[in-house]
Amino acid sequence: AAGVIQSPRHLIKEKRETATLKCYPIPRHDTVYWYQQGPGQDPQFLISFYEKMQSDKGSIPDRFSAQQFSDYHSELNMSSLELGDSALYFCASSRLGMTRNYGYTFGSGTRLTVV
Amino acid sequence: GENVEQHPSTLSVQEGDSAVIKCTYSDSASNYFPWYKQELGKRPQLIIDIRSNVGEKKDQRIAVTLNKTAKHFSLHITETQPEDSAVYFCAASKSGGGADGLTFGKGTHLIIQP
Repeated sequence: AAGVIQSPRHLIKEKRETATLKCYPIPRHDTVYWYQQGPGQDPQFLISFYEKMQSDKGSIPDRFSAQQFSDYHSELNMSSLELGDSALYFCASSRLGMTRNYGYTFGSGTRLTVV
Repeated sequence: GENVEQHPSTLSVQEGDSAVIKCTYSDSASNYFPWYKQELGKRPQLIIDIRSNVGEKKDQRIAVTLNKTAKHFSLHITETQPEDSAVYFCAASKSGGGADGLTFGKGTHLIIQP
């Protein structure tokens, strides 16, 4: 079965640079979520989109922005990168209203290293 | 906002024994409680979830119980096996699995001793 696809898998950037992470949800899923997970930490919710509209907002820094496109893929844009932004960034997707399973599926993540 | 506390942070059990991980949440409006298993460097994987209209749910060796009054929920793993070794996260959400984000606990590192 198709899973959530994230690209790139690994990314190395210098401080103050910008980065764009991409997420392709499972087909027919209409909701995407972004999480940031630092080393040894729990995933922190950043932002979610439903039907291309921002749905919920978590601890996303002002330097970050995201959007969901007409084909439901999403991009997380990160500017003025800081060393503390180094983390695993997970995207997850779900289809609202599915009664069988309200759990959502995470992608394999993008490991961002800021040097 | 929601605050989820998880205990213990590390749990070591003998293979074949049971393991119990406990979580408490603060927001009484939360109504969806999933549990994730995460191996080092890999994605969190949903292992079981429970909604607030149910007190207990079981799937083979894994069970989850929910006490809405006390605002706590627990993961029970029976007949533990070496492949159960991983970090387990509990989480809570107010939207019953909708577009709201999950608030995670800090995780429990489960070690299965052979």
